[in-house]
Amino acid sequence: AQSVTQLDSHVSVSEGTPVLLRCNYSSSYSPSLFWYVQHPNKGLQLLLKYTSAATLVKGINGFEAEFKKSETSFHLTKPSAHMSDAAEYFCVVSPPPNFGNEKLTFGTGTRLTIIP
Amino acid sequence: DTGVSQDPRHKITKRGQNVTFRCDPISEHNRLYWYRQTLGQGPEFLTYFQNEAQLEKSRLLSDRFSAERPKGSFSTLEIQRTEQGDSAMYLCASNMAGELFFGEGSRLTVL
Repeated sequence: AQSVTQLDSHVSVSEGTPVLLRCNYSSSYSPSLFWYVQHPNKGLQLLLKYTSAATLVKGINGFEAEFKKSETSFHLTKPSAHMSDAAEYFCVVSPPPNFGNEKLTFGTGTRLTIIP
Repeated sequence: DTGVSQDPRHKITKRGQNVTFRCDPISEHNRLYWYRQTLGQGPEFLTYFQNEAQLEKSRLLSDRFSAERPKGSFSTLEIQRTEQGDSAMYLCASNMAGELFFGEGSRLTVL
Protein backbone atom coordinates (compact mmCIF):
# COMPACT_ATOMS: atom_id res chain seq x y z
CA ALA A 1 0.00 0.00 0.00
CA GLN A 2 1.14 3.54 -0.64
CA SER A 3 -0.11 7.03 0.07
CA VAL A 4 1.12 10.58 0.04
CA THR A 5 0.17 13.63 2.09
CA GLN A 6 0.77 17.18 0.97
CA LEU A 7 0.80 19.23 4.09
CA ASP A 8 -0.28 22.55 2.59
CA SER A 9 -3.16 23.04 0.19
CA HIS A 10 -2.04 26.61 -0.59
CA VAL A 11 1.34 28.33 -0.39
CA SER A 12 1.98 31.98 -1.19
CA VAL A 13 5.45 33.45 -1.54
CA SER A 14 6.85 36.69 -2.88
CA GLU A 15 8.74 36.68 -6.14
CA GLY A 16 12.44 36.10 -5.51
CA THR A 17 11.95 34.36 -2.15
CA PRO A 18 12.40 30.64 -1.47
CA VAL A 19 9.70 28.06 -2.10
CA LEU A 20 9.01 25.06 0.14
CA LEU A 21 6.24 22.59 -0.68
CA ARG A 22 5.95 19.80 1.85
CA CYS A 23 5.19 16.15 1.18
CA ASN A 24 5.15 13.05 3.38
CA TYR A 25 4.69 9.55 2.03
CA SER A 26 3.76 6.13 3.28
CA SER A 27 4.80 2.95 1.53
CA SER A 28 5.27 -0.71 2.33
CA TYR A 29 8.29 -0.86 0.01
CA SER A 30 11.07 1.45 -1.16
CA PRO A 31 9.09 3.74 -3.40
CA SER A 32 9.76 5.95 -6.34
CA LEU A 33 8.73 9.54 -5.67
CA PHE A 34 7.89 12.33 -8.07
CA TRP A 35 6.80 15.93 -8.20
CA TYR A 36 4.50 16.98 -11.03
CA VAL A 37 3.34 20.49 -11.90
CA GLN A 38 0.06 21.42 -13.51
CA HIS A 39 -0.47 24.85 -15.00
CA PRO A 40 -4.06 25.97 -15.69
CA ASN A 41 -5.59 24.12 -18.62
CA LYS A 42 -2.36 22.25 -19.20
CA GLY A 43 -1.29 18.65 -18.74
CA LEU A 44 0.80 17.38 -15.89
CA GLN A 45 4.52 17.89 -16.32
CA LEU A 46 7.22 15.97 -14.47
CA LEU A 47 9.47 18.25 -12.39
CA LEU A 48 11.73 15.61 -10.90
CA LYS A 49 11.86 12.01 -9.71
CA TYR A 50 13.58 9.93 -7.07
CA THR A 51 14.23 6.24 -7.80
CA SER A 52 16.66 5.14 -5.06
CA ALA A 53 19.74 6.84 -6.45
CA ALA A 54 20.96 10.16 -4.99
CA THR A 55 18.72 11.43 -2.21
CA LEU A 56 18.97 15.04 -3.42
CA VAL A 57 17.25 15.24 -6.76
CA LYS A 58 17.49 18.18 -9.12
CA GLY A 59 14.70 18.88 -11.54
CA ILE A 60 13.68 21.38 -14.16
CA ASN A 61 13.23 25.11 -13.65
CA GLY A 62 15.54 25.22 -10.62
CA PHE A 63 13.47 22.92 -8.42
CA GLU A 64 14.96 20.22 -6.25
CA ALA A 65 13.75 17.75 -3.64
CA GLU A 66 15.40 15.72 -0.93
CA PHE A 67 14.36 12.18 -0.05
CA LYS A 68 14.55 11.65 3.72
CA LYS A 69 13.70 8.08 4.60
CA SER A 70 13.87 8.66 8.36
CA GLU A 71 11.26 11.39 8.05
CA THR A 72 9.33 9.77 5.17
CA SER A 73 9.46 13.14 3.46
CA PHE A 74 10.13 14.42 -0.05
CA HIS A 75 9.82 18.19 0.17
CA LEU A 76 10.15 20.36 -2.94
CA THR A 77 12.25 23.53 -2.83
CA LYS A 78 13.41 26.34 -5.05
CA PRO A 79 15.77 29.11 -3.93
CA SER A 80 14.03 31.95 -5.71
CA ALA A 81 10.42 31.98 -6.89
CA HIS A 82 9.47 33.27 -10.31
CA MET A 83 6.06 34.43 -11.44
CA SER A 84 5.91 31.54 -13.91
CA ASP A 85 6.09 29.07 -11.01
CA ALA A 86 2.48 29.80 -10.07
CA ALA A 87 0.69 26.47 -10.57
CA GLU A 88 -0.62 23.36 -8.81
CA TYR A 89 2.05 20.94 -7.59
CA PHE A 90 1.49 17.26 -6.92
CA CYS A 91 3.65 14.93 -4.89
CA VAL A 92 3.39 11.38 -6.20
CA VAL A 93 4.44 7.93 -4.97
CA SER A 94 4.75 4.77 -7.02
CA PRO A 95 6.14 1.27 -6.58
CA PRO A 96 9.84 0.94 -7.38
CA PRO A 97 10.82 0.33 -11.02
CA ASN A 98 11.51 -3.38 -10.49
CA PHE A 99 7.84 -3.95 -9.60
CA GLY A 100 7.06 -3.48 -13.28
CA ASN A 101 4.10 -1.23 -12.57
CA GLU A 102 4.19 2.54 -12.56
CA LYS A 103 0.78 3.01 -10.95
CA LEU A 104 1.07 6.45 -9.41
CA THR A 105 -0.71 7.65 -6.27
CA PHE A 106 -1.12 11.42 -6.21
CA GLY A 107 -1.39 13.79 -3.29
CA THR A 108 -4.21 16.31 -3.21
CA GLY A 109 -1.98 19.07 -4.53
CA THR A 110 -0.52 22.37 -3.35
CA ARG A 111 -1.49 25.55 -5.12
CA LEU A 112 1.49 27.89 -5.31
CA THR A 113 0.79 31.60 -5.64
CA ILE A 114 3.59 34.06 -6.38
CA ILE A 115 3.15 37.58 -5.08
CA PRO A 116 4.75 40.24 -7.31
CA ASP B 1 3.18 19.33 -25.67
CA THR B 2 4.15 15.92 -24.30
CA GLY B 3 3.12 14.01 -27.41
CA VAL B 4 0.10 12.33 -25.75
CA SER B 5 -3.10 13.45 -27.44
CA GLN B 6 -6.59 13.31 -26.01
CA ASP B 7 -9.87 13.91 -27.78
CA PRO B 8 -12.21 15.61 -27.23
CA ARG B 9 -10.73 18.21 -24.90
CA HIS B 10 -14.17 19.17 -23.64
CA LYS B 11 -17.44 17.25 -23.65
CA ILE B 12 -20.78 18.43 -22.33
CA THR B 13 -23.48 15.84 -22.17
CA LYS B 14 -26.84 15.19 -20.59
CA ARG B 15 -27.26 12.70 -17.80
CA GLY B 16 -27.90 9.22 -19.12
CA GLN B 17 -25.95 9.63 -22.34
CA ASN B 18 -22.85 7.61 -23.24
CA VAL B 19 -19.51 9.30 -23.85
CA THR B 20 -16.22 8.04 -25.25
CA PHE B 21 -12.78 9.56 -24.89
CA ARG B 22 -9.79 8.72 -27.03
CA CYS B 23 -6.12 8.76 -26.14
CA ASP B 24 -3.21 8.53 -28.55
CA PRO B 25 -0.02 7.80 -26.62
CA ILE B 26 3.53 8.46 -27.71
CA SER B 27 4.09 5.86 -30.40
CA GLU B 28 6.89 3.81 -28.84
CA HIS B 29 5.30 3.67 -25.38
CA ASN B 30 3.78 0.29 -24.56
CA ARG B 31 2.05 1.26 -21.31
CA LEU B 32 -0.99 3.47 -21.21
CA TYR B 33 -2.81 4.75 -18.12
CA TRP B 34 -6.15 6.41 -17.44
CA TYR B 35 -6.67 8.73 -14.48
CA ARG B 36 -9.59 10.83 -13.29
CA GLN B 37 -9.19 14.23 -11.64
CA THR B 38 -11.98 16.02 -9.85
CA LEU B 39 -11.88 19.64 -8.74
CA GLY B 40 -9.44 20.23 -5.91
CA GLN B 41 -8.10 16.70 -5.95
CA GLY B 42 -5.11 14.92 -7.35
CA PRO B 43 -5.53 12.49 -10.23
CA GLU B 44 -6.97 9.11 -9.29
CA PHE B 45 -5.81 5.93 -11.05
CA LEU B 46 -8.47 4.10 -13.06
CA THR B 47 -6.82 1.47 -15.23
CA TYR B 48 -3.76 0.68 -17.32
CA PHE B 49 -2.66 -1.33 -20.34
CA GLN B 50 0.54 -2.97 -21.43
CA ASN B 51 0.20 -3.12 -25.18
CA GLU B 52 -3.35 -4.38 -25.74
CA ALA B 53 -3.63 -6.19 -22.40
CA GLN B 54 -5.57 -4.46 -19.65
CA LEU B 55 -3.51 -5.35 -16.59
CA GLU B 56 -5.61 -3.71 -13.95
CA LYS B 57 -9.14 -2.46 -14.04
CA SER B 58 -10.24 -2.86 -10.46
CA ARG B 59 -10.16 0.88 -9.94
CA LEU B 60 -12.67 1.60 -12.68
CA LEU B 61 -15.37 3.38 -10.77
CA SER B 62 -18.30 1.20 -11.73
CA ASP B 63 -19.42 -1.20 -14.44
CA ARG B 64 -20.51 1.85 -16.43
CA PHE B 65 -16.81 2.53 -17.10
CA SER B 66 -14.84 0.51 -19.61
CA ALA B 67 -11.58 0.97 -21.46
CA GLU B 68 -10.02 -0.67 -24.49
CA ARG B 69 -6.76 -0.63 -26.36
CA PRO B 70 -7.51 -3.02 -29.19
CA LYS B 71 -4.30 -2.83 -31.19
CA GLY B 72 -1.95 -1.70 -28.49
CA SER B 73 -1.82 1.84 -29.81
CA PHE B 74 -4.66 4.27 -29.07
CA SER B 75 -7.09 3.67 -26.23
CA THR B 76 -10.69 4.59 -25.54
CA LEU B 77 -12.47 5.17 -22.26
CA GLU B 78 -16.25 4.83 -22.38
CA ILE B 79 -18.72 5.92 -19.74
CA GLN B 80 -22.24 4.60 -20.19
CA ARG B 81 -25.38 6.19 -18.71
CA THR B 82 -23.46 9.18 -17.42
CA GLU B 83 -24.28 10.69 -14.05
CA GLN B 84 -23.54 14.16 -12.73
CA GLY B 85 -20.89 12.68 -10.45
CA ASP B 86 -18.93 11.61 -13.51
CA SER B 87 -18.09 15.25 -14.22
CA ALA B 88 -14.30 15.42 -14.05
CA MET B 89 -11.12 15.66 -16.05
CA TYR B 90 -10.07 12.34 -17.57
CA LEU B 91 -6.32 12.09 -18.05
CA CYS B 92 -4.35 9.69 -20.17
CA ALA B 93 -0.65 8.99 -19.77
CA SER B 94 1.89 6.77 -21.48
CA ASN B 95 5.08 5.39 -20.02
CA MET B 96 8.69 5.36 -21.01
CA ALA B 97 11.53 4.32 -18.68
CA GLY B 98 9.52 4.90 -15.54
CA GLU B 99 8.29 8.35 -16.47
CA LEU B 100 4.65 8.99 -17.27
CA PHE B 101 3.85 11.55 -19.92
CA PHE B 102 0.36 13.00 -19.54
CA GLY B 103 -1.99 14.40 -22.10
CA GLU B 104 -3.89 17.60 -21.45
CA GLY B 105 -7.02 15.72 -20.50
CA SER B 106 -10.63 15.48 -21.55
CA ARG B 107 -12.99 17.51 -19.41
CA LEU B 108 -16.46 16.00 -19.00
CA THR B 109 -19.44 17.99 -17.81
CA VAL B 110 -22.65 16.08 -17.19
CA LEU B 111 -25.75 18.26 -16.97
